[in-house]
Parts: sequence; C-alpha cells; structure tokens
Amino acid sequence: QVQLVESGGGLVKPGGSRRLSCAASGFAFSDYYMSWIRQAPGKGLEWISYISPDGNTKYYADSVKGRFTISRDNAKKSLYLQMNSLRAEDTAVYYCVGQVDYWGQGTLVTVSS
Amino acid sequence: DIQMTQSPSSLSASVGDRVTITCRAAQNISNYLNWFQQLPGKAPKLLIYAASHLQVGFPSRISGGGSGTVFTLTIDNLQPEDFATYYCQQSYSTPPFTFGQGTTLEI
Repeated sequence: QVQLVESGGGLVKPGGSRRLSCAASGFAFSDYYMSWIRQAPGKGLEWISYISPDGNTKYYADSVKGRFTISRDNAKKSLYLQMNSLRAEDTAVYYCVGQVDYWGQGTLVTVSS
Repeated sequence: DIQMTQSPSSLSASVGDRVTITCRAAQNISNYLNWFQQLPGKAPKLLIYAASHLQVGFPSRISGGGSGTVFTLTIDNLQPEDFATYYCQQSYSTPPFTFGQGTTLEI
C-alpha cells in the first residue's frame, strides 16, 4: 500500500537548520509531483513547496523562499526539505504530500531556544 | 497568489443533519478545487478532487460542486465520523496551491 514516512523533525534553535526526509513506497514516485505542506499548532494548512516529477521545477511560498530548499531522489524514492535560518513561526507539523492524493503522517519541527 | 475563503469557519450540527460548506476563490480557477478532511490528530485526507469527484473510500452522501469562483461541499445525513475539519485547496495553474482557512464541523 502507499506509504509516505517523514523523518528529521525535532527541536531546533532559532537561526538553526534542519533537513526533513520523506520515504515513499507503493506508488510510482517518479511520476508524481511532490509537495511539503505544514500546519502550525492549532492552525490551518499552509502549502510551502512543490517539486516537479523530474526535479527541475520548484516553487516556494513567500514565507519560506530563500530559506528552504526542496529536492528529491527518484532512485531512492525520497523527498527532502532543507530548512535554514529557522524562526519560531516555522514551528509546525510538516507533511510530505504526493500530488494531492497521498499524505504522510507528518513530522513536528519546533523552533525554540 | 489566489486567495481562498471558506465559510463558515465553524459549524455546529447534529447526526442526521445536512450541512454545506462554501469555498470562494479570488479568481476563476475552473474546477481545480480539492477538499480535504482532517480528523483530530491525524493527517488530512483527500476527500474530493476536481471540485466534484469523490475520492474512493468515502460515502456518496458527501458531494462537491461548483466551478469558477464558488464551490460547495455538502454532507447529507451527518454521521459521527464526519465531525472533522474540512479544507478547500486550489490547484490551478502554477503554485502556490493555497488552502482555505478551514471549517470545523462540531456536534
């Protein structure tokens, strides 16, 4: 069955960095565009980044542009999010999403001193 | 960016009721509109895609409609498992694929 498993969350100090990973299985990963979507505690969903199936096209929300980088490795069926210059407002559960169909369980990133 | 506005933000209802949630796009998005259901403490699930297509696994008493700038999610004969938060999302053209602010359906 389809699985998306995120990892890499945890407690980070303001200004710090973190790399999230997402391992995919059960579907044709290399055919899917992928996204990262986050949800701050008690808040709604925020789309933050997109990558095309071949990895050549990327988009970012203004809130993370210049600080976050999305990437993928189709051979490893994996999606990544490199997060730099983290701020308190980046505290959220980060979901790995295959197009709109498939969602991971999320990984919590907490930015606090 | 295309702004999405949902109404109401919360809704109280009872088992057996019929409810409708509305989502408005700031510009014409054709039928590039998805609905998600999020149960407490869980990841969202795709509920409806392309405005009116019900995802496999959900009951037919759930339906979506609309096109252009106004969309609706209707749930007939509410059941206990329907009490959740619902989000609309536009996927028109290029990202950002913005979400509505969510509607919490409460007993």
